[in-house]
Amino acid sequence: AQTVTQSQPEMSVQEAETVTLSCTYDTSESNYYLFWYKQPPSRQMILVIRQEAYKQQNATENRFSVNFQKAAKSFSLKISDSQLGDTAMYFCAFMKHGGNAGNMLTFGGGTRLMVKP
Amino acid sequence: EADIYQTPRYLVIGTGKKITLECSQTMGHDKMYWYQQDPGMELHLIHYSYGVNSTEKGDLSSESTVSRIRTEHFPLTLESARPSHTSQYLCASSAGTPYNSPLHFGNGTRLTVT
Repeated sequence: AQTVTQSQPEMSVQEAETVTLSCTYDTSESNYYLFWYKQPPSRQMILVIRQEAYKQQNATENRFSVNFQKAAKSFSLKISDSQLGDTAMYFCAFMKHGGNAGNMLTFGGGTRLMVKP
Repeated sequence: EADIYQTPRYLVIGTGKKITLECSQTMGHDKMYWYQQDPGMELHLIHYSYGVNSTEKGDLSSESTVSRIRTEHFPLTLESARPSHTSQYLCASSAGTPYNSPLHFGNGTRLTVT
């Protein structure tokens, strides 16, 4: 079974600064996918960014980027130029590749990020 | 804007009552999921469905049951609610694998059993 660990329950950052959220995972799979989801207060959870394990290049989506270290089983999220709207709970998630079992996400415990004005 | 709807948004109910949490999506997605979100915010998959008449249990054991008679509808039922069922329940759907088609989540149902 896969496990996903987010070691920072809460973090804060000043508006316009950069913050990095940590995520580590444990798996025996060689091919898989990793995700960061965002859950703003009282709002729906939405996908922020995703990464395929066989791609060495780190994914980037506007102000969001990841640092994927496959050997270390680490998948951190960097948020640049933080905005007040980035305040949310952030979840790291893992998905195996292929087959029906590969359609399920395993989530970490979440990191609550507060962006301060 | 939500294309996946959960009702009720909040529910407070007494021990022993039967309840059904509703989840509907208008996107024609084949895959639907129920996650239980603990007060500490961890999410655990409790049920999933790959299509009509297909339901499977997830990683976290749950006393709830689900049905999938129509593509758009994936209700979750607790036959006899207990305080240990107090949690938030999130419904989600996707068109394909979560990589090619990210999960769309509903707003959740926050259940309190007294």
